[in-house]
Amino acid sequence: SAVISQKPSRDICQRGTSLTIQCQVDSQVTMMFWYRQQPGQSLTLIATANQGSEATYESGFVIDKFPISRPNLTFSTLTVSNMSPEDSSIYLCSVEAQLANEQFFGPGTRLTVL
Amino acid sequence: SQKIEQNSEALNIQEGKTATLTCNYTNYSPAYLQWYRQDPGRGPVFLLLIRENEKEKRKERLKVTFDTTLKQSLFHITASQPADSATYLCALEGILTGGGNKLTFGTGTQLKVEL
Repeated sequence: SAVISQKPSRDICQRGTSLTIQCQVDSQVTMMFWYRQQPGQSLTLIATANQGSEATYESGFVIDKFPISRPNLTFSTLTVSNMSPEDSSIYLCSVEAQLANEQFFGPGTRLTVL
Repeated sequence: SQKIEQNSEALNIQEGKTATLTCNYTNYSPAYLQWYRQDPGRGPVFLLLIRENEKEKRKERLKVTFDTTLKQSLFHITASQPADSATYLCALEGILTGGGNKLTFGTGTQLKVEL
């Protein structure tokens, strides 16, 4: 299993500002995933972050809005840029288990944009 | 388009009974299906994975079935306890935009087990 921590756990931000969310894993992993979970909704994959290459974004998500860094095999950041109230959501990072298909999730970052 | 459906209405059952949650999907041919549990304010926690060639899988009080003809999975919790109260998500394997596998999640069903 993998233990994942995220910072911050929650934040309240003003419209037009940016927030960077950190994700730390206790072991080296190839792929890290960033999800968004809007109120009452399920998880939607934003992008996949591989170390040493640019993140791959899913349909509906773009790098300018959600830039991602992956400087090493245990760490990634997701920035939510130029925020609006519609960005209020829980943001989760996850990793895939080695030799298995299950995913381990961080505790999430609850973002509220005023 | 691909779609995963779970009962959006909360399921309330009495302690000791069996809870049965449903996951239906369309326009998918997943190699496997997973079930996760999510508590308020927490990330999802993996429970079970079942492959397309498996009809049923069990883990302690949990049982999952996978019918690829009906395109449906059933998730059972026997002898339910108040501690089982949570939202349960099903997730199907999909293809990542850049290659590799990804998970697509259903909307989840909230289960409440009452004394």
